[in-house]
Amino acid sequence: DQQVKQNSPSLSVQEGRISILNCDYTNSMFDYFLWYKKYPAEGPTFLISISSIKDKNEDGRFTVFLNKSAKHLSLHIVPSQPGDSAVYFCAAPANQAGTALIFGKGTTLSVSS
Amino acid sequence: DVKVTQSSRYLVKRTGEKVFLECVQDMDHENMFWYRQDPGLGLRLIYFSYDVKMKEKGDIPEGYSVSREKKERFSLILESASTNQTSMYLCASSLDADYSNQPQHFGDGTRLSIL
Repeated sequence: DQQVKQNSPSLSVQEGRISILNCDYTNSMFDYFLWYKKYPAEGPTFLISISSIKDKNEDGRFTVFLNKSAKHLSLHIVPSQPGDSAVYFCAAPANQAGTALIFGKGTTLSVSS
Repeated sequence: DVKVTQSSRYLVKRTGEKVFLECVQDMDHENMFWYRQDPGLGLRLIYFSYDVKMKEKGDIPEGYSVSREKKERFSLILESASTNQTSMYLCASSLDADYSNQPQHFGDGTRLSIL
């Protein structure tokens, strides 16, 4: 059973608008979440993270929101740029030590100019 | 910058062959990981290692083994390659279990085709 779910396989947004990527999780013991971005033919790169003691973390154009009661997090990109076009993965720790991660299936974001 | 290097970007092998995928990191990281990425399935953890000669099974270890004889190197072995192991393989490393400060760093992947 999937513990980290990204239910939207794809999202298309116009340049300059907001992109909102969503992620749901089932395990209330998760205490940390990460977002990774992946371009074709490259490995994923770490984008932003959030601890469960926070409900928001911001880094430049990227903001992650966490709603623990709904077991939901979202990544906001404002303003979206064509270079943001990539696959975005949500991840959570796979074990108590936090050494491994569980990834969602990813959402492909396309930003058109 | 952390550098995770996978020995091959593309590899073509035949069914039944023993296949070795090599990964090297240059930042003295304790943890190393092997994932595979398939369309519609995201990244799935095959094996990981938190120290030299230590290994833990991930979600899909069947048909694979790993070796970590040196801290910087983590090898993934397909004992007898099968066509369903055609995939993109990604290696990653991280500094320690305090993942809040040390996210995983990935290599660029090896696209493996088993014919």
